[in-house]
Amino acid sequence: KQEVTQIPAALSVPEGENLVLNCSFTDSAIYNLQWFRQDPGKGLTSLLLIQSSQREQTSGRLNASLDKSSGRSTLYIAASQPGDSATYLCAVKDSNYQLIWGAGTKLIIKP
Amino acid sequence: DAGVTQSPTHLIKTRGQQVTLRCSPKSGHDTVSWYQQALGQGPQFIFQYYEEEERQRGNFPDRFSGHQFPNYSSELNVNALLLGDSALYLCASSPIAHTGELFFGEGSRLTVL
Repeated sequence: KQEVTQIPAALSVPEGENLVLNCSFTDSAIYNLQWFRQDPGKGLTSLLLIQSSQREQTSGRLNASLDKSSGRSTLYIAASQPGDSATYLCAVKDSNYQLIWGAGTKLIIKP
Repeated sequence: DAGVTQSPTHLIKTRGQQVTLRCSPKSGHDTVSWYQQALGQGPQFIFQYYEEEERQRGNFPDRFSGHQFPNYSSELNVNALLLGDSALYLCASSPIAHTGELFFGEGSRLTVL
């Protein structure tokens, strides 16, 4: 059974720092992995989608990597800003086309 | 280009009542999925609709049912509401049923008293 874990559950860093969020999964047989951002009480905003054949995707200050063999993905945020404060969730589409979610990392960027 | 739109944004019901939530997918998308998200947790998959049929279903009781219309919009119906049904209900659409990128609406916040 696929399980997705995000550690840490919460992270607080000063503005301007580069940071890495982690996502691990137990079964490497995945179709893709998607990173989302969620502001309090709001819906989910898609940040990056990495297909199983890809190693990384970039969008602006965000870079996501995927290592299927080790069951890990990282979301790198460069030059963090207070507006980056949100909960970041990763989700893996497994071999049954089910989306399996992590519980998220709550990120706080201190001005 | 409108993204995924959901209505209503907030609603309050009492135990035993029934509720209908609505979703219009992003333009060009024909697959709609519904998720339930309790406070502080990740979303839980309810079901997915494609070509007006339920294609996949998560671990939710039959009280949760849905429908997809010819214009790809969708409804989520929950009967005999329980206190535990209080959650944010999220609709997501994608251009490809299985492996496409998911786009979410802002959700419908349901409170059951």
